[in-house]
Amino acid sequence: LAKTTQPISMDSYEGQEVNITCSHNNIATNDYITWYQQFPSQGPRFIIQGYKTKVTNEVASLFIPADRKSSTLSLPRVSLSDTAVYYCLVGDDNTDKLIFGTGTRLQVFP
Amino acid sequence: EPEVTQTPSHQVTQMGQEVILRCVPISNHLYFYWYRQILGQKVEFLVSFYNNEISEKSEIFDDQFSVERPDGSNFTLKIRSTKLEDSAMYFCASETGNNEKLFFGSGTQLSVL
Repeated sequence: LAKTTQPISMDSYEGQEVNITCSHNNIATNDYITWYQQFPSQGPRFIIQGYKTKVTNEVASLFIPADRKSSTLSLPRVSLSDTAVYYCLVGDDNTDKLIFGTGTRLQVFP
Repeated sequence: EPEVTQTPSHQVTQMGQEVILRCVPISNHLYFYWYRQILGQKVEFLVSFYNNEISEKSEIFDDQFSVERPDGSNFTLKIRSTKLEDSAMYFCASETGNNEKLFFGSGTQLSVL
């Protein structure tokens, strides 16, 4: 049973804000939501993590509604270098088996 | 920022041969992982390792696979008798264990001929 569902792909243009939504209907009480970015032939790289409401760091924001059944990664003013695959994961601190879904392939055009 | 180091970056082997992929996790991390990614596909969990033993493993991680932490710094993945379908990018990752973020290495591209 897949834990997360994301759009397969998204297109954007430089300077735009991009919002990628992930569904996790079966999220458990102790699960955190974490997003990773992956460039071709590189390992995934941590972007942001949250439990509820809103989290912001220097590269992105993460919006989590009260029911926590979905989350939205927001990338402000994307550039060409943001072209990558973005993965949403859920898991708790007792999970040693973080599972990646198929991810969302973001293509940023000039 | 500290890094997870993997060697070699590329490994070519003949079917049926044994390979050992090496990783040096970040020094104060306690949890270690191997993932793999077949070209064009998603990142797949193989195994997690904590306190010198396997804590979780996937269906992919069969008897042909083993992991070891032979000393205080290295973490290795051994494939005893490689198959063509083992060709993939193998990523090592580590974390402190307090639900912190996973740090991934840059991967070893394994090609089985």
